[in-house]
Amino acid sequence: QKEVEQNSGPLSVPEGAIASLNCTYSDRGSQSFFWYRQYSGKSPELIMFIYSNGDKEDGRFTAQLNKASQYVSLLIRDSQPSDSATYLCAVTTAGSYQLTFGKGTKLSVIP
Amino acid sequence: NAGVTQTPKFQVLKTGQSMTLQCAQDMNHNSMYWYRQDPGMGLRLIYYSASEGTTDKGEVPNGYNVSRLNKREFSLRLESAAPSQTSVYFCASRLPSSYNEQFFGPGTRLTVL
Repeated sequence: QKEVEQNSGPLSVPEGAIASLNCTYSDRGSQSFFWYRQYSGKSPELIMFIYSNGDKEDGRFTAQLNKASQYVSLLIRDSQPSDSATYLCAVTTAGSYQLTFGKGTKLSVIP
Repeated sequence: NAGVTQTPKFQVLKTGQSMTLQCAQDMNHNSMYWYRQDPGMGLRLIYYSASEGTTDKGEVPNGYNVSRLNKREFSLRLESAAPSQTSVYFCASRLPSSYNEQFFGPGTRLTVL
């Protein structure tokens, strides 16, 4: 059974701070890793994906992957109130059509 | 380019009634998916269609059927709705790359009384 674990939160950070969201996964064969943002009452929106060990940066967002520790994280720099949402981690294995999702971490950015 | 569209947005059914949720994408994607999202349970895959003409079960297929009508459209049918099927249903389609990026429709909020 493939599992993806996330702290449900809520994670509260002040505006302008760095928010750090974490995700661990059980399947060592996992190949690609995704971060989705979901505002309340809305659908998940893909914000980043990563497949190589190390960091990947896109604007204020940085995804970090450590396959040896089976750990992926998302850093949000200069957090804004508009970043308040639930962040979903998802993983997939090579050749698979399926994503396995974590239950999400709720982030609250306090003005 | 509307992306992934779903109808209806909201639906209330009585136990035992049937209905079909519709999904369409205009991005020429090959693969399409149906998920349900429940509080505390996260997103769970019901069925998916890797390509036109094929469908496969996901994690929670019981009580559902699907039809891949053509490349654009993938429908989800509840033959005899049960209160346990009260949920938010999302359709998604997959970018034709090796990394499995999926893009979601706006969702259908279904209540079964």
